[in-house]
This record gives sequence, structure tokens and C-alpha cells, in this order.
Amino acid sequence: DQQVKQNSPSLSVQEGRISILNCDYTNSMFDYFLWYKKYPAEGPTFLISISSIKDKNEDGRFTVFLNKSAKHLSLHIVPSQPGDSAVYFCAASALKGTYKYIFGTGTRLKVLA
Amino acid sequence: GAVVSQHPSWVICKSGTSVKIECRSLDFQATTMFWYRQFPKQSLMLMATSNEGSKATYEQGVEKDKFLINHASLTLSTLTVTSAHPEDSSFYICSASRTEYNSPLHFGNGTRLTVT
Repeated sequence: DQQVKQNSPSLSVQEGRISILNCDYTNSMFDYFLWYKKYPAEGPTFLISISSIKDKNEDGRFTVFLNKSAKHLSLHIVPSQPGDSAVYFCAASALKGTYKYIFGTGTRLKVLA
Repeated sequence: GAVVSQHPSWVICKSGTSVKIECRSLDFQATTMFWYRQFPKQSLMLMATSNEGSKATYEQGVEKDKFLINHASLTLSTLTVTSAHPEDSSFYICSASRTEYNSPLHFGNGTRLTVT
């Protein structure tokens, strides 16, 4: 049972435009959500996180939105740059203090120059 | 920022041999580290939680006797794949977090294991 889902395996966006990556989850106990970026043959790099008490968190070009009623979060990247091309994973945590993360299946973003 | 170092970055071994992968937190102490496995084009699957000074906690379906985890110090955890078989070939990634609640996990660069 996939508790964290990224239904779009890939996404292509023109440079300078907005990239929107989506993530859905099923476990209402999740209280902490993160986005990671991953290049091939490398470990994931932390991008941005959001606690369930918030509905938006912004860091530079990256903004994460959380809709708890819909069990949905999204990552907005604006403006998109070719260096943003990578696989993006969302992750969720349900257990306080244990850092046990459940990862989505990833979305491959390609930013076209 | 936090840095997690993983070694080796890739290894090729013969069937039946054992391989040890090291994970170090470089600028912070990590009482807990996590080992993940990623199959091609799939998500990161948590294998086990490594606890400093105590036994690791394995996820369902992960063989503890095949994947030996030792967390001997606050900055080092090791994963040993024992009697490796071709089906163990995968990308193994460790991670660690500072002790503050809701601090993000930081990941090592992973180890590509190929068993021939």
C-alpha cells in the first residue's frame, strides 16, 4: 500500500516558467512533509519541508503548499532553471521524533532551456 | 550545514562474499541513522533504523541476518551485506538527522552495489 504517491512520473517545463510537482498521501497521521531532489547515483538533497500546522512554506524559488483536507501537497519552483532538472521525491513522517520517512515514487523534472 | 558521508560510492563483489558500507555524520552527532535501498526507477525504501549503542530496528521483510547494522559511535553506522547475491544489487543510501524534532534527514551520496 503506497501511502505517499506522486502520480506524475515525469514533467517537462520551459526555463523561466513555473514547475508544479504534486504529492498525495493517505495517512492522516502524517504531520511533517518534505521535498528532496535527487540526481542519478547521488543521495537525495533536502529542499524544503512543512509541518502540518502550516499550509505554506517558502524558501527562495521553492514553495511548498499543504492541503490537509485533501491530503495533498505540492512543490512550486519559480522560475524554473535547467539546473533544477532532477528527480523530486516527497516524503512524509507520522511518528514524532522517530524521523521515519515514507517516500513517494518520485517525479522526474526536466527544465528545457 | 549537516553533512553525511558514505563510503564506498560503488562496489562490485562476487556472489557469496560480504560487503561493508560505512555512513558517517561529519559535523553533528547522530544517535539514529537510517538505511534505505533504492531499486531502479523506484522510491527509497527504508530498510532499518540504526540506533547508537543498541540493536537496529528492521522493517518488515528485511532480513536482519543478511543486512547487519552496527552503530558503534554517534558518528558512524555500518551496513554489511552478508553472503551477497545478485538480487542484492541495488543502490543503498544512509541518512542521519540532528536530534531536534522535525529536523530534516540528510542523506549520504549512496553506494551502488553490484553482485556478480
